[in-house]
Amino acid sequence: DQQVKQNSPSLSVQEGRISILNCDYTNSMFDYFLWYKKYPAEGPTFLISISSIKDKNEDGRFTVFLNKSAKHLSLHIVPSQPGDSAVYFCAASARKTSYDKVIFGPGTSLSVIP
Amino acid sequence: DTGVSQNPRHKITKRGQNVTFRCDPISEHNRLYWYRQTLGQGPEFLTYFQNEAQLEKSRLLSDRFSAERPKGSFSTLEIQRTEQGDSAMYLCASSPPGGITEAFFGQGTRLTVV
Repeated sequence: DQQVKQNSPSLSVQEGRISILNCDYTNSMFDYFLWYKKYPAEGPTFLISISSIKDKNEDGRFTVFLNKSAKHLSLHIVPSQPGDSAVYFCAASARKTSYDKVIFGPGTSLSVIP
Repeated sequence: DTGVSQNPRHKITKRGQNVTFRCDPISEHNRLYWYRQTLGQGPEFLTYFQNEAQLEKSRLLSDRFSAERPKGSFSTLEIQRTEQGDSAMYLCASSPPGGITEAFFGQGTRLTVV
């Protein structure tokens, strides 16, 4: 029962172009969403988050969009840089019931080609 | 402070043996999390401590698994009678009262059960 889905295991993008990573969820109780980035041999690093009361959150080159009706969110990276090559995990939590329990998706491996 | 420290980094054990992993969180972080990650999957929540109190446990944490945080500082995760299915990366994270969005992950302990 995968509550957070990332249907693209991998993605390749040219440097300078936009990277779009997608995520779908099934649990309507989720009200907070996060993206983590992971380099090999390191633990995941928090990147950006969005509350369900918003539909967009931006931080520098990173923007997360949330479509609650479709239970879909996406992470946009513009412009993409080679250093962005990593595995990106979408994650979600239902803060009203379990503030600190976060459900992760399987990840999308992004390769930014110079 | 050098971040979240996990020891050992790698552990190979024979099926049926007991293993114990240690996590030293960032100083003054009162929240501590354990996750398990298998190949091609995102981290799966195992358990969460606030100070020394274990506040939530996943049903993934069978009776062979036990976690402690005796003085609200470091934590240990013990697996008894290991099985090949226990082979995974075990990740620890800690955070201040801001919760999982403020969490810092360690590099993990990779367990291989042979």
